Formats: sequence, structure tokens, C-alpha cells
Amino acid sequence: EVQLVESGGGLVQPGGSLRLSCAASGFNFNSNAMNWVRQAPGKGLEYVAAISSNGGNTYYANSVMGRFTISRDNSKNTLFLQMGSLRVEDTALYYCARSLYDFWNGYSTDWGQGTLVTVSS
Amino acid sequence: QSALTQPASVSGSPGQSLTISCTGTSSDVGGYDYVSWYQQHPAKAPKLMIYDVSKRPSGVSNRFSGSKSGNTASLTISGLQAEDEGDYYCSSYTSSSTLDVVFGGGTKLTVL
Repeated sequence: EVQLVESGGGLVQPGGSLRLSCAASGFNFNSNAMNWVRQAPGKGLEYVAAISSNGGNTYYANSVMGRFTISRDNSKNTLFLQMGSLRVEDTALYYCARSLYDFWNGYSTDWGQGTLVTVSS
Repeated sequence: QSALTQPASVSGSPGQSLTISCTGTSSDVGGYDYVSWYQQHPAKAPKLMIYDVSKRPSGVSNRFSGSKSGNTASLTISGLQAEDEGDYYCSSYTSSSTLDVVFGGGTKLTVL
């Protein structure tokens, strides 16, 4: 069974930083691209960042470009999202998701339960 | 404002069929056959229902089907059931985003 467990969320002040982690199990982690999707309270879904299976290609939404960094450690089956210069509008539930293929094409087949990030003073 | 336009809400009675539309442009829905649909129940993670416009992942009911015409993609649910109630999001590859993919704003489906 595929399991994705996010951690690292919490309350942070504007301008602060957080590092999200996603521990994966139940599949060959180094065979799939991975991505982060966020959902602000009561709002829709927004792709944040994606990374290919070997980490060689990364993709970011315009809204987080230059502030967030996605990475992965295939030896530890873990996906990361380093978030910096956080803004109030980054407040959301952040989901980790497994992509259908080893390259990024926007299809997320398995999702974690999310970790909540709240940016507030 | 989302790049893809979906109706805010739709409703139907059990047993009926209904369709949710997703309208984009030639830079996304109309230009590529990389449209997907997700179902999300309250307080739950989304679930992939359709990809590549009309393909169903293993385990997804064949009551769900997808199609596309021009710049508009559609998700059709036949034999509507109470468990189908929830939010539905379309997504498409786009040449207008650094992330290559965008979501629609979502449609709330109510089973009467």
C-alpha cells in the first residue's frame, strides 16, 4: 500500500522559513516524479512544485518561484519542500503527491493527508 | 482567478447522469490531450479519476468518463450515487505556466 506522510507544518511569522518533509513507502520511490499541491482554507487546489524521479528536473509555480525549493533523497524515500520568505497567502494545507510517471506531467495518483502551514504574525 | 473555468456547482438526483465542464484555451485544454480530473471529499485528499482526457486509473468506477472538444473538457458521471458528492477539479498541461500544469477552480457536486 502506498503511503505518503507529510510533516513539518506549523505556525510561522511572515518572512520566516519552514521545511516540509514527505516520507514515502509502499512503492519504488525513485521510479516516480513527486510534487507538492496546496489548498488554502476553503479554496481550490494549487500545484506548488514538482520534481522528476532522479531529481534532475524541478518545476515551480510562479507564486513560489525563488522562495521555495523542492528536493528529494531517494536513499531515504523522502521528499522535501524548503519554504522561505513566507507570506500570509502561503497559508494552506500542503499535500505531497506521487506522480503517475517518472517525469512530471501533472498527474498525481497518490496523496498524503497534508500538513498545515499557517503564516501569521 | 484559475486558468481553467469550471461551474461553481452542479447537482443531480441519484441515478441521473451529469456533466462537469472545464473550459480553457488553446494554450492548455485545447492544445494538449493532458487533461485530468480529481475528486475530493470533505476533509480528504484528492483522488485522481481521469487522466489523458479519458483514461481511468485502476479502481475508478466506469461510471466516470472524460472527453474533450476544442478548448473544453468534460467529466461525465453516470448513474449518480450519493458517494459521488464532493468537489471536482480539472487540470491540464499548459504552456503558460512555469509548472506546466494548472487546476480549474473546482465544482461542488451535490446529489439531491
